[in-house]
Amino acid sequence: DIQMTQSPSSLSASVGDRVTITCWASQSIGNYLNWYQQKPGKVPELLIYFASSLQSGVPSRFSGSGSGTDFTLTISSLQPEDFATYYCQESYSTPLTFGQGTKLEMK
Amino acid sequence: EAQLVESGGGSVQPGGSLRLSCAASGFIFSTYEMNWVRQAPGKGLEWVSWISSSGRDIYYADSVKGRFTISRDNAKSSFYLQMNSLRAEDTALYYCARGHLEREVVTGAFDIWGQGAMVTVSS
Repeated sequence: DIQMTQSPSSLSASVGDRVTITCWASQSIGNYLNWYQQKPGKVPELLIYFASSLQSGVPSRFSGSGSGTDFTLTISSLQPEDFATYYCQESYSTPLTFGQGTKLEMK
Repeated sequence: EAQLVESGGGSVQPGGSLRLSCAASGFIFSTYEMNWVRQAPGKGLEWVSWISSSGRDIYYADSVKGRFTISRDNAKSSFYLQMNSLRAEDTALYYCARGHLEREVVTGAFDIWGQGAMVTVSS
């Protein structure tokens, strides 16, 4: 099974900051990497698929990059509504695996 | 608007059974792969099961293999998760989620999620 590891597990930042979250896969997964945002008490929302493709309706301040085993999610200028937990997920093979999550909190 | 609505959650004793249902609307259900994903209280997301658009192919997480059964009825735009031999560690909010298609290419992402059905396993 592929293991997904996110870093950091939590992060404090301020509105306007540039934020980067990293996700590592235990083996190469090509570009089969997706990112989600989940706010407290809410349903997860797809942000990025195929490592760097922006899901329809997602603001352009979100971007993804990487391939193989190393991936990043970047928020170019943090907005108040972006404070949430972020998950990566590999879709290269079953079992489909999520990272443990990165909680983005307001500084 | 594409929508998924779960039903069938509840409380059950260890060893018991529950059946979750997910009703789809607003899209051509028979063309999409579907998934169940769960989230234990205060924890992260865990993929549970996947079913192909036709229903012929199925996969499970090791943690539920042999106990849970996924199925679908394309005529009813619905799919299901039969959960048997439930354990305390199965306590979670269970989401149904649609497999994302990008110009008919399967990405493996989940683009539409239901609101979740809570399953509590406790004596």
